[in-house]
Amino acid sequence: ILNVEQSPQSLHVQEGDSTNFTCSFPSSNFYALHWYRWETAKSPEALFVMTLNGDEKKKGRISATLNTKEGYSYLYIKGSQPEDSATYLCALCSSNTGKLIFGQGTTLQVKP
Amino acid sequence: DVKVTQSSRYLVKRTGEKVFLECVQDMDHENMFWYRQDPGLGLRLIYFSYDVKMKEKGDIPEGYSVSREKKERFSLILESASTNQTSMYLCASSLTDSRYGANVLTFGAGSRLTVL
Repeated sequence: ILNVEQSPQSLHVQEGDSTNFTCSFPSSNFYALHWYRWETAKSPEALFVMTLNGDEKKKGRISATLNTKEGYSYLYIKGSQPEDSATYLCALCSSNTGKLIFGQGTTLQVKP
Repeated sequence: DVKVTQSSRYLVKRTGEKVFLECVQDMDHENMFWYRQDPGLGLRLIYFSYDVKMKEKGDIPEGYSVSREKKERFSLILESASTNQTSMYLCASSLTDSRYGANVLTFGAGSRLTVL
């Protein structure tokens, strides 16, 4: 069974702190990796789709890196703001099945 | 700017009722998906469709069926709702690819179903 693990499960930080969390996946099954942000009462919103080992993507204060050889991706948020409070989901597109497999998510709470 | 619309944000149904969850997208996407989200678990795929009238089972299809009569509309049907189907249901769509999970998903806002 293909497993995508996200850690930590939840995180509480102060406004202005920088933070990061991890998505781990079986490297042998990699085709693409997605990151989504899901704010309460809203639709999950795509942040990044990453396909190449060593890829780094950035959107404002949020950036992500990808290591397909060792099977992980990091999401960084620089200078967290209360509006960054959300659940962050990663999902692996499997090279074997083409399926998208989601991790359990990391819930971030940023206190003002 | 609405792209994926789910018909109901909140529903309360009784055990044994037939439930329809509707999803419409306006982006001309070929792929459409139904997921459910439960606490502590990742999004789990129920069914997906890669074309009109085509459907494929996802990881947890038991107790559900789907219908895609038009490209823009994908319906999830619970033939006889049970309490273990109480959940948040998310619809999504994407452009086609050789691997259906390759392209970015556009999600609806979700439908929270409670079955009593």
